[in-house]
Amino acid sequence: GAGVSQSPRYKVAKRGQDVALRCDPISGHVSLFWYQQALGQGPEFLTYFQNEAQLDKSGLPSDRFFAERPEGSVSTLKIQRTQQEDSAVYLCASSLTLAVADTQYFGPGTRLTVL
Amino acid sequence: GDSVTQMEGPVTLSEEAFLTINCTYTATGYPSLFWYVQYPGEGLQLLLKATKADDKGSNKGFEATYRKETTSFHLEKGSVQVSDSAVYFCALTANKAAGNKLTFGGGTRVLVKP
Repeated sequence: GAGVSQSPRYKVAKRGQDVALRCDPISGHVSLFWYQQALGQGPEFLTYFQNEAQLDKSGLPSDRFFAERPEGSVSTLKIQRTQQEDSAVYLCASSLTLAVADTQYFGPGTRLTVL
Repeated sequence: GDSVTQMEGPVTLSEEAFLTINCTYTATGYPSLFWYVQYPGEGLQLLLKATKADDKGSNKGFEATYRKETTSFHLEKGSVQVSDSAVYFCALTANKAAGNKLTFGGGTRVLVKP
């Protein structure tokens, strides 16, 4: 079946531009996560949704970052007024349940480069 | 806060060699532990997991045992292949009510030469 998909796969933005990154989770998955992965590092948690409710946004680095999942399926991560330090790969993951040990399935990521 | 520390790479091995990647963690309560793998050009995928002390996760010839007394979850494989070349990430989810967000280590790049 279809896995987690993300679009675009690559995005180049000029500093100060707004960007929107899309995630299509596996159908029926309750939980959705966003992570940020800087070059050569492990992914870092940004935010988490249970259906349409954003339950944890403690990892968002600033108020320029905003995420939504209005109908409990597709999610969008928006970054306003991009800065060079926002350059990273943004990963989306989904899991079927809320269980703490449930497997998270990752998308291929969106590589954002801010010039 | 929760954290994961894993050995830095790159680790370069010959085919059929023994592989060990060390991973230690700090967490409150009783976390679940994971190894994820990222093959070249592909997304992160779960390799194995263990949810309680002394559990052994295994998959594709890889094994890791949840050691609470040493707060470790070292990854091992007895005989690596070229196709095992990838970046390996150790991770945990803390046993908290607010979801199962993953905390990752920095990753270890493994290169297996024929």
